[in-house]
Amino acid sequence: AQSVAQPEDQVNVAEGNPLTVKCTYSVSGNPYLFWYVQYPNRGLQFLLKYITGDNLVKGSYGFEAEFNKSQTSFHLKKPSALVSDSALYFCAVRDTNSGGSNYKLTFGKGTLLTVNP
Amino acid sequence: DAGITQSPRHKVTETGTPVTLRCHQTENHRYMYWYRQDPGHGLRLIHYSYGVKDTDKGEVSDGYSVSRSKTEDFLLTLESATSSQTSVYFCAIGDGQSNQPQHFGDGTRLSIL
Repeated sequence: AQSVAQPEDQVNVAEGNPLTVKCTYSVSGNPYLFWYVQYPNRGLQFLLKYITGDNLVKGSYGFEAEFNKSQTSFHLKKPSALVSDSALYFCAVRDTNSGGSNYKLTFGKGTLLTVNP
Repeated sequence: DAGITQSPRHKVTETGTPVTLRCHQTENHRYMYWYRQDPGHGLRLIHYSYGVKDTDKGEVSDGYSVSRSKTEDFLLTLESATSSQTSVYFCAIGDGQSNQPQHFGDGTRLSIL
């Protein structure tokens, strides 16, 4: 079975500082990994994904994420945080070894990022 | 934004009443999903569809049913709503490629009193 853990319910960072939102995963095969952002009263918006290749992937709004197979992690990062980055962030995983035709995603519980001015 | 419309956006109803939520897509995607979002639980899959009249259960399907009579519409029904089904419900769509993300609607906030 596939699973995702986001160990921090909340992350607070000052504007202009680097931010990291942590994600670890568990799969039986190789993972496809995704980050989403959710603003208040909106649906989840796709930020970036790791499928294969370069361990550092770049996405929307200046975000990037680093895939680490040995640590089974996929942490979201941004070099300089903005107040407008304040939102709820979700990590999700799909196990390439899951078989079937459902292509289900498993989501973490979310991390609330607050960027203070 | 992906062409996904959820209706209604907000609903308040009473315990024991039937409720139907609608998801409409204009992307012609094969896969459609219903999730519920609750504090401390993230998103949990209720049901999904992999084609017209083809549906399957997710991890929290008890008390819910779905139907998909057309590619563009996916309905979620609570036959007899309970207070534990108070939640925010999200529809998502996908093209069936495992390396592609799902895309989400803006949700329906459902309160059951």
